[in-house]
Amino acid sequence: GAGVSQSPRYKVAKRGQDVALRCDPISGHVSLFWYQQALGQGPEFLTYFQNEAQLDKSGLPSDRFFAERPEGSVSTLKIQRTQQEDSAVYLCASSSVMLDEGIYSNQPQHFGDGTRLSIL
Amino acid sequence: KQEVTQIPAALSVPEGENLVLNCSFTDSAIYNLQWFRQDPGKGLTSLLLIQSSQREQTSGRLNASLDKSSGRSTLYIAASQPGDSATYLCAVLKTSYDKVIFGPGTSLSVIP
Repeated sequence: GAGVSQSPRYKVAKRGQDVALRCDPISGHVSLFWYQQALGQGPEFLTYFQNEAQLDKSGLPSDRFFAERPEGSVSTLKIQRTQQEDSAVYLCASSSVMLDEGIYSNQPQHFGDGTRLSIL
Repeated sequence: KQEVTQIPAALSVPEGENLVLNCSFTDSAIYNLQWFRQDPGKGLTSLLLIQSSQREQTSGRLNASLDKSSGRSTLYIAASQPGDSATYLCAVLKTSYDKVIFGPGTSLSVIP
């Protein structure tokens, strides 16, 4: 398809396990964002990539969270030693906008349908 | 720190009714404000974007207004339809160098 694809759609893991969430952005999109959305809340920014460079990871809640985009296309968000508070929907968004350093006007963003992560 | 709130949290209206969704933000110095729609189990779809210099934007049955001085935006939906049922989120950008800050959303149900 032509949209942002995320996999898996649902992930259930036991507390303490590691998980990996995948995002396939729209082909050619240079900018890629990860968001965390708790139930009943709006998305919260986690990290931003421009091509393969991770320019901002200030939203990652702890050092258990790690994101990469080694070839500037597919991105993986990894969560180590998962905890119950990690349960949320993780959204990925991509944009064709070439962002200069520090510019986050990021319009338009195209969102994937998210991965719903449940930690038991 | 910018905080974004949305009232009401949930709204149920009969089909055909006009309705208003509210968004408030604490820091009036914003770069732009955007309204999104989110269907259950789906990502976000951008509806309208208002730059800080603008007062309103319109798209079809949707009209969004912005009052920076009071820290408020409204999304007006005319002649609501069951297909409008979704969660509507507003999001503000403080400057072109900042991240987007989302509100918690208003869950709208339009009853046939």
